[in-house]
Amino acid sequence: DSGVTQTPKHLITATGQRVTLRCSPRSGDLSVYWYQQSLDQGLQFLIQYYNGEERAKGNILERFSAQQFPDLHSELNLSSLELGDSALYFCASSARLASYNEQFFGPGTRLTVL
Amino acid sequence: AQSVTQPDIHITVSEGASLELRCNYSYGATPYLFWYVQSPGQGLQLLLKYFSGDTLVQGIKGFEAEFKRSQSSFNLRKPSVHWSDAAEYFCAVGAQDSWGKLQFGAGTQVVVTP
Repeated sequence: DSGVTQTPKHLITATGQRVTLRCSPRSGDLSVYWYQQSLDQGLQFLIQYYNGEERAKGNILERFSAQQFPDLHSELNLSSLELGDSALYFCASSARLASYNEQFFGPGTRLTVL
Repeated sequence: AQSVTQPDIHITVSEGASLELRCNYSYGATPYLFWYVQSPGQGLQLLLKYFSGDTLVQGIKGFEAEFKRSQSSFNLRKPSVHWSDAAEYFCAVGAQDSWGKLQFGAGTQVVVTP
């Protein structure tokens, strides 16, 4: 158990819908990362927050957005869903910003768009 | 352009035999290098990391990796595999100026036969 929790574990929805994925980082970790894992794209970095502020952006679509709240939990919002958004979405956390810090991964949320 | 390559998509190894997984990277800055393992239905777990010092690093579960700057490689090894080592292995690269953003390779699926 990494200490990172993600809810829900599974999500099935229809095209055009909007969903919210939730992540609680390890106790004390200030940095939260979101990754998308799909068969065709592999594991892709989406976005990073540190202590409530966005710090780095990767291949995140405009239909997707995220935020980190004062209690440090984070939410990833996916809207106008398409079939291609079906994937495993991971949240990870680390103590600080530096790239050499270990990132602890949650178990993921499997999103299926029908 | 920055890239991480894991040339082997799939490796089958007998229990007790040695294992080597290849990782090559192309990065402008000094890289931080990681190996993660993903067991079925699980999140990613860090096996080991390198960012400076001794180029041979030891990790958890009996794994080690060697950084070879001249070959831009960071290969993962284990002298004797166990059935529980069957999983997907990911090489990842970060950089000092990337604020924790990791770029992952495509992964290598390891199957262990009796």
